Amino acid sequence: QVQLVQSGAEVKKPGASVKLSCKASGYTFTTNAVHWVRQTPGQGLEWMGIINPSGAGTSYSRKFQGRITMTADTSTDTVFLEVTSLRYDDTAVYYCARVMCDVDCSDVFDIWGQGTIVTVSS
Amino acid sequence: DIQMTQSPSSLSASVGDRLTITCQASQDISHYLNWYQQKPGKAPKLLIYAASNLETGVPSRFSGRGSGTDFTFTISSLQPEDIATYYCQQYDILPITFGPGTTVDIK
Repeated sequence: QVQLVQSGAEVKKPGASVKLSCKASGYTFTTNAVHWVRQTPGQGLEWMGIINPSGAGTSYSRKFQGRITMTADTSTDTVFLEVTSLRYDDTAVYYCARVMCDVDCSDVFDIWGQGTIVTVSS
Repeated sequence: DIQMTQSPSSLSASVGDRLTITCQASQDISHYLNWYQQKPGKAPKLLIYAASNLETGVPSRFSGRGSGTDFTFTISSLQPEDIATYYCQQYDILPITFGPGTTVDIK
């Protein structure tokens, strides 16, 4: 079945970096772009950016520009999100989500990963 | 950035009740509006896309309508398994933005 499986929970210290993975299966990886969305108690659902696995083009939210990098590995059908200079308020659940493609593709998130909890703590 | 507001922020209803959630965008987003359901500890699930299209496999008691800046989401007959938080999301213009959510529980 179509699914996105994310990597396990992380605990990091302030100032550190974290790299999360999201492995796709059940569909042609290069057809659908993937977004990253995080969820914090205080900020709700927050869009971080998008990566197109076919050409690895990206677009990031201004809020995270300079601090995040999204990459894709077509040999393993996996997208990655790296967040640097972690702060306490980066503590959140991070989700990857696939773009829906029917006749064309649009930023409708039809498949989500299960989420990765990132805790920033000293 | 486009701001999304939802009302109410929470509601309690009885099984079988009809309930409606509203979502308003800070500018015209045409029909580029989705609705998601999220249960505790789970990822959001797509219910309605492009304002009024029911995602495959989603029960027909869920519906959506609207265009421009004002949208509604309706559950025609609330079921116990509908206890969740519901979010609207605009995808007209990046950055994609979500509403703050509406939490639904059983009275």
